[in-house]
This record gives sequence, C-alpha cells and structure tokens, in this order.
Amino acid sequence: GQQLNQSPQSMFIQEGEDVSMNCTSSSIFNTWLWYKQDPGEGPVLLIALYKAGELTSNGRLTAQFGITRKDSFLNISASIPSDVGIYFCAGGDPGSSNTGKLIFGQGTTLQVKP
Amino acid sequence: DTGVSQNPRHKITKRGQNVTFRCDPISEHNRLYWYRQTLGQGPEFLTYFQNEAQLEKSRLLSDRFSAERPKGSFSTLEIQRTEQGDSAMYLCASSLDGLSNQPQHFGDGTRLSIL
Repeated sequence: GQQLNQSPQSMFIQEGEDVSMNCTSSSIFNTWLWYKQDPGEGPVLLIALYKAGELTSNGRLTAQFGITRKDSFLNISASIPSDVGIYFCAGGDPGSSNTGKLIFGQGTTLQVKP
Repeated sequence: DTGVSQNPRHKITKRGQNVTFRCDPISEHNRLYWYRQTLGQGPEFLTYFQNEAQLEKSRLLSDRFSAERPKGSFSTLEIQRTEQGDSAMYLCASSLDGLSNQPQHFGDGTRLSIL
C-alpha cells in the first residue's frame, strides 16, 4: 500500500537551533499537511499545502509541497522548548481520488534542550 | 464551536467485550473520518462519511468493526468481541467538504486498552 517515509525519526536539538524534517513517497499526492501531536492528544494542524511547488509559512514554521508531488519538508526556525512533540506529515488524496483520506508518515520526535 | 469532540477519552475493557466510541465533528463539517493510531506510529485511515453515507472502508476495518453516522452529524464506532490487538488510540477528524483545500481537524481521540 501507499507509504510515506518521514525522516529523521527523532531529533534532539538545542533551543534556538533551526530544524528540518521531510517526507517522501513513491506515490503522488494532491495535498500535503503537517501536524504536531503532544502526548495523549490528537494531531493539531500546522500547515496545509495544496499546490505543487507551494511554499507556506506559519510563524516560525515553513513548509513546501515538492514539485513532483511526491515529497514535502517542514522547517522550524529558532526552536523553543514548546516545540517538543511528534511531527507528522500526511499526504492527502493520493492519485486522482477525492476522498480526503490521509496517509501519514511515521513521525519525527523532536526534543529541545533549553 | 470547540472543535472535534470524542468520548470517552479512555476505555479499559476485558477481551471479548463490545465497546462504542462517539465523535462529534465541528458543526457544518460534512466529512467525518476515523483513524487508528498505535504506539510509535502515525494514524491509519479506517473509514469516512460524507454526511450520513459511509463511502470508504479500509481493509483494517474487520467485520467486528462498524461505524455509523445516522443523521450526518455525530458518528459512532463500535468494536464487537474486542481482541488485544484492538488496543490503540481511535481518532476522529472532520472537514468542511470534499474539496482538496479543506484540511482535516482531529479530536483528542479515545484510547482503548484491552485487558
């Protein structure tokens, strides 16, 4: 079935550093979304991307929808302790479907040292 | 409106029992999705509704699982004859419509533990 490869699996960084994570797939997606999940809670939407090549920012977060529609990256600038959590990429509407179904990556666990 | 609401937040039950979870989507969202998430993994799609119609089911959704959305508002997910492998977080999400520019918003899930 469809899979997303998300990397790195985990990161341990110093407060103030920039972070970069990415997601790749062998399949084409029509949308890419990035979510953050804290323990015991549901994923919270960070950024949604709808067009190949699109670059979108949300505060210190920047994400891009790859031109091939098979990848996306998320950057976090000047990390702070509350950035700690698990970050998931999700590809939406694989191929030409219009179900809105999301395929998730395995997650990147981010730890920030004050 | 406070977002997607799921109840209960936690459910502990013995193997073989039936359980039912409820999801209240964001009002006016006509698409509702169920996902399952196991420890260390991303959520996996189970099924979705467009209003009251269940339009797609994953092969993860065995015959012991049934989902309903009778009036196109809240939804229930029932698991019959629970097994230990059913232990997971069950997440519900909703979106405004089927167009690709409407993202899904998730509830905080129901964590199911099978003893």
